[in-house]
Amino acid sequence: AQTVTQSQPEMSVQEAETVTLSCTYDTSESDYYLFWYKQPPSRQMILVIRQEAYKQQNATENRFSVNFQKAAKSFSLKISDSQLGDAAMYFCAYRSVDFGNEKLTFGTGTRLTIIP
Amino acid sequence: DGGITQSPKYLFRKEGQNVTLSCEQNLNHDAMYWYRQDPGQGLRLIYYSQIVNDFQKGDIAEGYSVSREKKESFPLTVTSAQKNPTAFYLCASSIGSSLSGNTIYFGEGSWLTVV
Repeated sequence: AQTVTQSQPEMSVQEAETVTLSCTYDTSESDYYLFWYKQPPSRQMILVIRQEAYKQQNATENRFSVNFQKAAKSFSLKISDSQLGDAAMYFCAYRSVDFGNEKLTFGTGTRLTIIP
Repeated sequence: DGGITQSPKYLFRKEGQNVTLSCEQNLNHDAMYWYRQDPGQGLRLIYYSQIVNDFQKGDIAEGYSVSREKKESFPLTVTSAQKNPTAFYLCASSIGSSLSGNTIYFGEGSWLTVV
């Protein structure tokens, strides 16, 4: 079974600065998908960014980018120019491509605080 | 508007009662999921369904039941056998197979409290 580990329960960053959230995972599969979701106080789960394991190029979405290291099974999220609206819980998630096992497996989350 | 609708937003259950949480989607998604979130924790999978009339247990299915009679609906029943049901419940859906990298989208969630 796959596992996802987020070793930073809480992080804080000054507004306009850059912060990196860590995520590692364990799997024996060679093809899969990785995601970062944001959960603000409203509790809505919002997709931030997605990475296909077979792609070497790191995904980017505006101020959000990932550092995907497949051999190390590491998938960190970098937020540039942090904004107050970025304050939330961030969850790393893994999704298998095996039919019948396509659920999302989540880490325990990192609470990000933005300091004005 | 297209999306995933969960109801009710807040629900209170008495000891020994069964309650049902509704989840409806108009995205024409094949797959639907139920997750449970406890305070300070990540999401854990309860049940999921990839096609109508079929569903599979997730990691914490005990004390829960589901049905998938229609593509757009995936209700979750929290039975009296679930000893600690107080939690936040999230329904999700995706187009189907993850082979094309289909993202899983979430509803706004339902709070269940035992009184």
